[in-house]
Amino acid sequence: NAGVMQNPRHLVRRRGQEARLRCSPMKGHSHVYWYRQLPEEGLKFMVYLQKENIIDESGMPKERFSAEFPKEGPSILRIQQVVRGDSAAYFCASSPDRVSNIQYFGAGTRLSVL
Amino acid sequence: GENVEQHPSTLSVQEGDSAVIKCTYSDSASNYFPWYKQELGKGPQLIIDIRSNVGEKKDQRIAVTLNKTAKHFSLHITETQPEDSAVYFCAASISPGSNYKLTFGKGTLLTVNP
Repeated sequence: NAGVMQNPRHLVRRRGQEARLRCSPMKGHSHVYWYRQLPEEGLKFMVYLQKENIIDESGMPKERFSAEFPKEGPSILRIQQVVRGDSAAYFCASSPDRVSNIQYFGAGTRLSVL
Repeated sequence: GENVEQHPSTLSVQEGDSAVIKCTYSDSASNYFPWYKQELGKGPQLIIDIRSNVGEKKDQRIAVTLNKTAKHFSLHITETQPEDSAVYFCAASISPGSNYKLTFGKGTLLTVNP
């Protein structure tokens, strides 16, 4: 019974390149959350998605960042034209339903922008 | 929006002692309070949670207390062991609610000395 799977675990990009982070939720979970963690900081909410729908993207920068959770396949967090300030750990969490809101986290993707 | 404050930022205890981490929240509508343990290089792991209709919850050596009036909740770890060493995060959310996002504290680095 696999947990939340994120890949890649580490990603190195040069400024101006694109970064694609993938998240496969736990089996049976249809709710996905993305959080960003800067060094020595707590996790900050970015976006909440259900299958084929963005429910809340209030924590995601308006430019360069986008997220999707298609009917088939993993959720994708996409960062275009990365800058040094995008360097962080990005975590995905999944939840089975809206009632309990228990969120299970993946191991994260550590993005380094050179 | 919700704001979660967590104290202390670092905590060092001797093996076998108890550890207490405290959090306060600002939004009186918050009603779900999970605690996560994060080991170096890993994702946050849910260790215990509490809902606002309960004042205390225990799970072996771990307990969480909630004071809704004062808007604070605490994590208690008894008989600490070296493997308890990690960063602990508290969080708050409204569940069920409109977006279910977790607002995290900045974390407490717990070190258990053998």
